[in-house]
Amino acid sequence: DQQVKQNSPSLSVQEGRISILNCDYTNSMFDYFLWYKKYPAEGPTFLISISSIKDKNEDGRFTVFLNKSAKHLSLHIVPSQPGDSAVYFCAASDTGTASKLTFGTGTRLQVTL
Amino acid sequence: NAGVMQNPRHLVRRRGQEARLRCSPMKGHSHVYWYRQLPEEGLKFMVYLQKENIIDESGMPKERFSAEFPKEGPSILRIQQVVRGDSAAYFCASSSTGRGTEAFFGQGTRLTVV
Repeated sequence: DQQVKQNSPSLSVQEGRISILNCDYTNSMFDYFLWYKKYPAEGPTFLISISSIKDKNEDGRFTVFLNKSAKHLSLHIVPSQPGDSAVYFCAASDTGTASKLTFGTGTRLQVTL
Repeated sequence: NAGVMQNPRHLVRRRGQEARLRCSPMKGHSHVYWYRQLPEEGLKFMVYLQKENIIDESGMPKERFSAEFPKEGPSILRIQQVVRGDSAAYFCASSSTGRGTEAFFGQGTRLTVV
């Protein structure tokens, strides 16, 4: 029962272009969403988050959009840089069980020169 | 200010042996979370502990797995009688609150069962 889904296992984008990573969820109780970036042999590092009371949150080159009615969120990276090449995980939480995160399976982003 | 420290980074065990994974939280953090990442999958929550207490173990397999976070020392995830299916990366995270959304992750322990 995959409650958080990232249907694209990989994505290749040219340097300077926009990267769009997508995430869908099924659990209506989720009200807080996060994106993590993970390099090989390292732990996930927090990138950006959004509460369900918002539909957009921006931090520098990173913007997360939330569409509650579609149960869909996306991460936009503009402009993409080679150092952005990593695996990106979408995660969700609900205030009732705020201690744990439910992760998607990840999308491997490769930014090419 | 060191981050979340996990050791060992790599652990090889033969089937039937015990595996002990250690996690030292960030300074000032008293909440610890363990996650497991199987090959080609996302991280899956296992257990949430506060000093000397298990708060939520809803993700822990019913048998062979146990976790503790003593008053002194690191948190330990213990896997008894390991099987090949236990091969995975195990990540620990810590926070100063009970909110997993505010946790910082360690670099993980990669367990290989041969």
